[in-house]
Amino acid sequence: GNSVTQMEGPVTLSEEAFLTINCTYTATGYPSLFWYVQYPGEGLQLLLKATKADDKGSNKGFEATYRKETTSFHLEKGSVQVSDSAVYFCALSDLKTGGSYIPTFGRGTSLIVHP
Amino acid sequence: NAGVTQTPKFQVLKTGQSMTLQCAQDMNHEYMSWYRQDPGMGLRLIHYSVGAGITDQGEVPNGYNVSRSTTEDFPLRLLSAAPSQTSVYFCASSYRSTGPSGNTIYFGEGSWLTVV
Repeated sequence: GNSVTQMEGPVTLSEEAFLTINCTYTATGYPSLFWYVQYPGEGLQLLLKATKADDKGSNKGFEATYRKETTSFHLEKGSVQVSDSAVYFCALSDLKTGGSYIPTFGRGTSLIVHP
Repeated sequence: NAGVTQTPKFQVLKTGQSMTLQCAQDMNHEYMSWYRQDPGMGLRLIHYSVGAGITDQGEVPNGYNVSRSTTEDFPLRLLSAAPSQTSVYFCASSYRSTGPSGNTIYFGEGSWLTVV
């Protein structure tokens, strides 16, 4: 079956530091990959996505590249801000098998950015 | 442009009570699902639906029922609430597409449930 593994948090950084949150996946087909962000007390919002190998998703300074050879979709940002403090979820949705398209999520990684 | 609407946002129940969390989407999405979010556990799938009249169990279905009589609505019923069901619940919807927006999942704002 499908699965997503994220690095455990919390990740604690100072403002303007470089961010990497690792995400690897297992899927039977050719999934689409997503990063969602959850700010305190809110629901999940789509941050970025990639639908095929070597695609790069980007938004708000965050980037992630779909690496089929390493089954990874690591999230990066060159300079984090205090306002980036949130929980980040990696997810996949399997296109190939014509299955349910119900996504599979990682456990989430909490990011705390200090001034 | 409502998207996915969940109600109520907050609810306190006594053990043994029943209740229904409502979820509605106005995007004509085929797929709808319910997740619960607990500290350290991430999002766990409770039930899902791939279309009106079709539902299936997810990872943690015990103690919950769902139905999908229309494309728009996907209510989650707690049959006899237990303290272990204290959690934050999220409804989500998506659709099948190979286009640029395909398979993006849209979430409701969440329902905070406490069972005492």
